[in-house]
Amino acid sequence: ETGVTQSPTHLIKTRGQQVTLRCSSQSGHNTVSWYQQALGQGPQFIFQYYREEENGRGNFPPRFSGLQFPNYSSELNVNALELDDSALYLCATPSDLRDTGELFFGEGSRLTVL
Amino acid sequence: GENVEQHPSTLSVQEGDSAVIKCTYSDSASNYFPWYKQELGKGPQLIIDIRSNVGEKKDQRIAVTLNKTAKHFSLHITETQPEDSAVYFCAASIGRGSTLGRLYFGRGTQLTVWP
Repeated sequence: ETGVTQSPTHLIKTRGQQVTLRCSSQSGHNTVSWYQQALGQGPQFIFQYYREEENGRGNFPPRFSGLQFPNYSSELNVNALELDDSALYLCATPSDLRDTGELFFGEGSRLTVL
Repeated sequence: GENVEQHPSTLSVQEGDSAVIKCTYSDSASNYFPWYKQELGKGPQLIIDIRSNVGEKKDQRIAVTLNKTAKHFSLHITETQPEDSAVYFCAASIGRGSTLGRLYFGRGTQLTVWP
């Protein structure tokens, strides 16, 4: 049990639609990262939020955006969905406030785009 | 950016044998190297990690070695059991300050342990 909760666990959308994925953590850490894991691949870093502001982004277009709230829960929004956006979306937070580098992942949200 | 290569992509071993998975990285600034185990339908689970000031770390049947000069690190699982069957990922990170949370992953190794 990592204490990182994601919702929904599964969802199906069609091309052009928009999706919002949610993440919360028991650790209360002020940093949250989002990853995309395509089938058969390793997770790829999308972006990171630190104290409610984006703090670093991977190679993803602007239609991938996020929010972090004062309670440090987070959302990932994807606009204008494409078929290639079908993937497992993972949220991760550091394990505690010691900033040891350890990252704990949620179980992910499985997005299918038809 | 960092590039992490992982081999092999699949590995089958008999129960009780050892399994070794190898990774290389490109960015000499990376100093934190975790390994994750991912079971079907679940998120990655941290199983062991190593930092650049250490050459080897062991936790029961699992060990990780790091060669900073050659920029490679390896996961060793001894006395494998069927429940070790999963996909294993290596990752690299600078792992501190503003880069905390940015991991670069390998493509994964599907380990199958046959009873």
